[in-house]
Amino acid sequence: KAGVTQTPRYLIKTRGQQVTLSCSPISGHRSVSWYQQTPGQGLQFLFEYFSETQRNKGNFPGRFSGRQFSNSRSEMNVSTLELGDSALYLCASSSDRGPLNEKLFFGSGTQLSVL
Amino acid sequence: GQNIDQPTEMTATEGAIVQINCTYQTSGFNGLFWYQQHAGEAPTFLSYNVLDGLEEKGRFSSFLSRSKGYSYLLLKELQMKDSASYLCAVMDSNYQLIWGAGTKLIIKP
Repeated sequence: KAGVTQTPRYLIKTRGQQVTLSCSPISGHRSVSWYQQTPGQGLQFLFEYFSETQRNKGNFPGRFSGRQFSNSRSEMNVSTLELGDSALYLCASSSDRGPLNEKLFFGSGTQLSVL
Repeated sequence: GQNIDQPTEMTATEGAIVQINCTYQTSGFNGLFWYQQHAGEAPTFLSYNVLDGLEEKGRFSSFLSRSKGYSYLLLKELQMKDSASYLCAVMDSNYQLIWGAGTKLIIKP
């Protein structure tokens, strides 16, 4: 069974640009979550999608948005990039059999550098 | 506010035992997770505790005390491949995961 796939692996952008990151979950998983990871900080929750609907959202500005397609693949978009957006963006999928003990399967992430 | 505390870095010797602590203050509690993350790789699930006590899984064990807001991950017979960051996360009353900053574990020969 293929794991969670994130593309691209690395990305370099300049301030003010926008970027789109892609995530393909494990086959059969309908829940996809996005996290931002920076050195010294815990994973910061961005949002979660389930069956094409945003089910949960973290405390990030509106420049961060996402969507999920009917095949459960998800994209995350960041507009008007700022230097502080430089981070590893992780996507995780789960089978969503229930809210408890729902372990996440993570992709290797997209390392975004904003210059 | 919600808070998860873990030591930033720990060092241990190959073959020894190490205990990584995690304390938390969250709005409600629906379980505590431990994940392992090797440098440049995806975090992978290690354990889940929702009831007090010790859960053992091979060389790794995880303990929870809900009354103290405390958990630890115990790694026995350390191997070089155990060098990684260990992430503690708590599921709050809204079923959202709150993550600690992670503990970088360095294993020396």
